[in-house]
Amino acid sequence: GAVVSQHPSWVICKSGTSVKIECRSLDFQATTMFWYRQFPKQSLMLMATSNEGSKATYEQGVEKDKFLINHASLTLSTLTVTSAHPEDSSFYICSASGGVTDTQYFGPGTRLTVL
Amino acid sequence: AQTVTQSQPEMSVQEAETVTLSCTYDTSESDYYLFWYKQPPSRQMILVIRQEAYKQQNATENRFSVNFQKAAKSFSLKISDSQLGDAAMYFCAYKQDFGNEKLTFGTGTRLTIIP
Repeated sequence: GAVVSQHPSWVICKSGTSVKIECRSLDFQATTMFWYRQFPKQSLMLMATSNEGSKATYEQGVEKDKFLINHASLTLSTLTVTSAHPEDSSFYICSASGGVTDTQYFGPGTRLTVL
Repeated sequence: AQTVTQSQPEMSVQEAETVTLSCTYDTSESDYYLFWYKQPPSRQMILVIRQEAYKQQNATENRFSVNFQKAAKSFSLKISDSQLGDAAMYFCAYKQDFGNEKLTFGTGTRLTIIP
């Protein structure tokens, strides 16, 4: 149980385009989903927290207009990187939590490369 | 603000031996959760073990066990009978005990298993 999927697993896009990443909880209802960014050999950096049906809460320094987060259902959250630039290239990871334990379960991550 | 410190950037252990990874944290809360996550080369974050602060008994999951010292704010992970598949980055994480609060991660310890 507690499986979280992410799609796509990797994406390459041109500078100036937008990219959407999906995060799904497959076997539980996720009341909260989290989006992280991870640079090579570093820890995870929380970008935002999203609760189903409400606006996401962004961490300090994260541009909410650039990283659009939607959590329309209890099993799906999306992260859209708008007008992507090479500096947005990174590994993006989502996690989902729900139920009694509130343990976060992580997706496999998405590697974004912006040319 | 809560902080999590992992003072060992890298550790290595002989296969079949035992290794202990250190983690300390700082919080003014009395109720919280602590976690160890493993990130192998695939970069999929995997929950290794979970500890509730109100429980005095140390959590155990097969070859993985923790030494939770609440007064000292210490939460070390012991891996017994180390296997090649244990090679990974290990992250210690803290979460407040209400709602779906965010995780605070340590900087990680890279564990190498020597055949």
